[in-house]
Amino acid sequence: EDQVTQSPEALRLQEGESSSLNCSYTVSGLRGLFWYRQDPGKGPEFLFTLYSAGEEKEKERLKATLTKKESFLHITAPKPEDSATYLCAVQATGGYNKLIFGAGTRLAVHP
Amino acid sequence: EADIYQTPRYLVIGTGKKITLECSQTMGHDKMYWYQQDPGMELHLIHYSYGVNSTEKGDLSSESTVSRIRTEHFPLTLESARPSHTSQYLCASSESGRGDNQPQHFGDGTRLSIL
Repeated sequence: EDQVTQSPEALRLQEGESSSLNCSYTVSGLRGLFWYRQDPGKGPEFLFTLYSAGEEKEKERLKATLTKKESFLHITAPKPEDSATYLCAVQATGGYNKLIFGAGTRLAVHP
Repeated sequence: EADIYQTPRYLVIGTGKKITLECSQTMGHDKMYWYQQDPGMELHLIHYSYGVNSTEKGDLSSESTVSRIRTEHFPLTLESARPSHTSQYLCASSESGRGDNQPQHFGDGTRLSIL
């Protein structure tokens, strides 16, 4: 069964304290892995797509990496405005464009 | 920037009422989706559409129905609301083509409370 697990569930950082969020996945075949940011009361905002192991994408303080079993979202020198829930989702080969989401990591960055 | 709009943003309504949640997108995307999300939980797909007159049920069983008469519009209807329908409903859309693995873009959701 296709599955996505994110860890930790919650993470508290001081401003400037770099860290990584983990997304472990089990799928029959990976078509794509997606990272989203979700603020309270809002819909998920698309950040990155990764398609194959070894691929990396960067945007400001965020960098996403992908292996055959997991993805990491590295946050370098975070700021309070980076506080949000970060969601990981995978799309498996075959079938329709279904995304399987993890439960997310709630990140709080304190000044 | 994705342009996908959901109305209403919040709805509190009594049991037994008929409800329609609206979703519109201005990007010309063929594919549209409805997800359900409870606090702190995963998003679960309840309906999707590949284009006009195409609708399918997702993985999560839902008593709702959808229609796709126009490309830009994908409303979700609950014929008789019940307290178990209380949740957040998120609409999304994506482009077709290029390997069918294009990212989905989300609206800000409708938070539904059934009393």
